[in-house]
Order: sequence, then structure tokens, then C-alpha cells
Amino acid sequence: EAGVTQFPSHSVIEKGQTVTLRCDPISGHDNLYWYRRVMGKEIKFLLHFVKESKQDESGMPNNRFLAERTGGTYSTLKVQPAELEDSGVYFCASSQAWTGVKEQFFGPGTRLTVL
Amino acid sequence: QKEVEQNSGPLSVPEGAIASLNCTYSDRGSQSFFWYRQYSGKSPELIMFIYSNGDKEDGRFTAQLNKASQYVSLLIRDSQPSDSATYLCASHSGGGADGLTFGKGTHLIIQP
Repeated sequence: EAGVTQFPSHSVIEKGQTVTLRCDPISGHDNLYWYRRVMGKEIKFLLHFVKESKQDESGMPNNRFLAERTGGTYSTLKVQPAELEDSGVYFCASSQAWTGVKEQFFGPGTRLTVL
Repeated sequence: QKEVEQNSGPLSVPEGAIASLNCTYSDRGSQSFFWYRQYSGKSPELIMFIYSNGDKEDGRFTAQLNKASQYVSLLIRDSQPSDSATYLCASHSGGGADGLTFGKGTHLIIQP
């Protein structure tokens, strides 16, 4: 069974540009999560989809970040316009469970560098 | 604000010994707890989860939870050099919409 995949693995852009990150969850997993790790800090929750619906986007930093999951399969996270403080590793995770303990399986992450 | 605290290390343990990793959490509403292992540049890999007070064993790994003390630990028996990694502790509130709250991780080094 394929794990969570993310594309690209690295992205280097200049301040003010737009970047779109993609996440493909494990097949059959309705729950999809985005997280971010800024250097020196802990991994922080950004938002949660159940199928195509956003359940909780309380962790999104500001309105420069837009996440979508059309069709309830893969998800994209767009940063527009990017700022220096957006640099970090963006992780995606997926989970199958609807109730009980929700084991989340993580992808390899996208390392974003904003210059 | 929900917080999970871990000693960043590095924690150095001789090969074959028991490695003990600890974590405390601030949110008493947390329901379940997860231990992830992360090798440098790789994805966090789920090792174990625990949601009941007491011990939970899986192979060389034992997770321990004490909700009264808001304390979670992970024991690794017969430590191997391949266990050298960063270990992340995370909590979950149990609600349908919340993500995980992570600690910064403990860097574990197993000395051959």
C-alpha cells in the first residue's frame, strides 16, 4: 500500500511569489491534515479535511494560505504571496478513522524556502 | 494554549540499554497520545499510541501514560544504533476536527 506522498519535495521561491504544494493521502483515507514545521519550532497543525470539507482551519496562519481538496482525494496548499516567515517544512498526514483513536500517517514533507 | 513539552536532548544511551523518553502535556482534555520517530529529512513514522492509563507494550517499545500527572513516556528496550532518531510526542483532544499537538522532539543517540 502506497503511503502519503507530497510534491514537490523542495521548493525555493522569492518573496511575493506563489507556491502550490500537493498531497496525495493513503487511498481510502477520508481525513487529511496539513502541518508545518518552522525551523527550531515544533510541528504545528494547520487544517483538517474530511473528504472535501474543511473541518478545522484554526491553525492557518493568515489568508495568504488557501487549502483545497476538490473531489475528496488529493489536496493542495497554496501560499500567495509568499513571505519570508513561510519558510519551513510542510507535512501532510492522512487517517482512516472516523471515531476513536485517529492514527495519522505522515508524508515526507515539502521543504519550502522563501528568499 | 495546548502544549506538549519534551527535553530536546541529545539523549545518549549505550547499545543494548533501555532508552527512556519523556513528555508532559498541558491540556487535561487530551485523550490520546502518540509517539513518532523521525529520521533526519524523513517523515515522522508512527511507533505507538496510548489512550488508557498504564503501560502498553509492542515489541521492544513500551508506552506509559499517567493522566493524573499529565505525563507520557516511551521506553525502548535493547536499544539499537538504528533507533537513533528524533522522537516526537503528540497529543490529541479526541474531538473530530482537531489535529495533533506536537512537542519539539527528543534527539536520541544510541552509542555502539
